[in-house]
Amino acid sequence: GAGVSQSPRYKVAKRGQDVALRCDPISGHVSLFWYQQALGQGPEFLTYFQNEAQLDKSGLPSDRFFAERPEGSVSTLKIQRTQQEDSAVYLCASSFQPGGSEQFFGPGTRLTVL
Amino acid sequence: GQNIDQPTEMTATEGAIVQINCTYQTSGFNGLFWYQQHAGEAPTFLSYNVLDGLEEKGRFSSFLSRSKGYSYLLLKELQMKDSASYLCAVRAPQGKLQFGAGTQVVVTP
Repeated sequence: GAGVSQSPRYKVAKRGQDVALRCDPISGHVSLFWYQQALGQGPEFLTYFQNEAQLDKSGLPSDRFFAERPEGSVSTLKIQRTQQEDSAVYLCASSFQPGGSEQFFGPGTRLTVL
Repeated sequence: GQNIDQPTEMTATEGAIVQINCTYQTSGFNGLFWYQQHAGEAPTFLSYNVLDGLEEKGRFSSFLSRSKGYSYLLLKELQMKDSASYLCAVRAPQGKLQFGAGTQVVVTP
């Protein structure tokens, strides 16, 4: 594809609901990162995949957050029992090299938890 | 701890020059990135510095001093479309980016 794509672009969830956010990285990109961006803030790192291996999940805020990339391409970020503080834009980025040099970002998914 | 500081907002007129400073204190350093982000859009790559000195790229230049933990982004010949948030980010050895809160640049006619 031409760039990183994410779906859905917007998601409204009721508190307590589970959500799944999808990221399609640029074809052939080895590295995939998830970030969370609150309004008026810079993105905060959540987790990193090199191919299908999740090498760093130190940024996941709680055990309600789970990410996977089973075949080393598409990734899904799942949030269980959503809370209002989970409301943010979730950005996915991919990079050709392991460890990520220049990261290309997707448009993000704006999650609003009511 | 990790600390990346940049001003919250800067205003400049069309055609002028603006310099956005970024200071950082991080436990690991593997390069410094500048990204531009328009409201509601993805961050887009502007520049990358891993060695000390100035990198020039058209109207945008970026400078790095690793010993001082300091970088700046210089925007020349400002255009209205340059109104956006500019994010300073330090790359950790493992690859993840640690971002500052962003500097909102407002370009006025």
